[in-house]
Amino acid sequence: GAVVSQHPSWVICKSGTSVKIECRSLDFQATTMFWYRQFPKQSLMLMATSNEGSKATYEQGVEKDKFLINHASLTLSTLTVTSAHPEDSSFYICSATRFRTSGYYEQYFGPGTRLTVT
Amino acid sequence: QQQVKQSPQSLIVQKGGIPIINCAYENTAFDYFPWYQQFPGKGPALLIAIRPDVSEKKEGRFTISFNKSAKQFSLHIMDSQPGDSATYFCAASMRAQKLVFGQGTRLTINP
Repeated sequence: GAVVSQHPSWVICKSGTSVKIECRSLDFQATTMFWYRQFPKQSLMLMATSNEGSKATYEQGVEKDKFLINHASLTLSTLTVTSAHPEDSSFYICSATRFRTSGYYEQYFGPGTRLTVT
Repeated sequence: QQQVKQSPQSLIVQKGGIPIINCAYENTAFDYFPWYQQFPGKGPALLIAIRPDVSEKKEGRFTISFNKSAKQFSLHIMDSQPGDSATYFCAASMRAQKLVFGQGTRLTINP
């Protein structure tokens, strides 16, 4: 199967600091990666779509200056939470799409990063 | 139009039973319907997916039934085990890949 990794798996930071989360597709190239946020006992909320070599597309209501996304290569996308505040504490999950011979894209998720802002 | 409605919100089944989770959608442009399994503190894992030109797909103990005219699809888990206890999400997308998720079903399989 397709493997997607995230680093770090959990991070605690102080309010006002920035945190970078990495998402890597380990055994396939992903032209598109997605970043999600998930609150306890809730569904996944799409934050942004990240395409290699181009600017990310943010969902309505997501602050692009706060959540900086960079997709530098076909296997790496990063999410930087700038000037983090306690309300940014959440579970952040990335996913990467893999094109299949059926003509469809399958989306594989990373293990998630638990961010706690104190 | 973009929503996927999932039910039930939670489900408790005895070991060996067949839990059924249902999803409904409105957008007829959706052409890819995956199911994901998520354990606490982990990312979702792709279980099985179906396209609208197929009415049923089976992989191991997991089966998707798809009703195009009713715009509904469901997940059946055969011979359920306590290890299947997790949250299950249905989703839908068009070829553009962006997934629309259901609200999730918390499944508990009692021993």
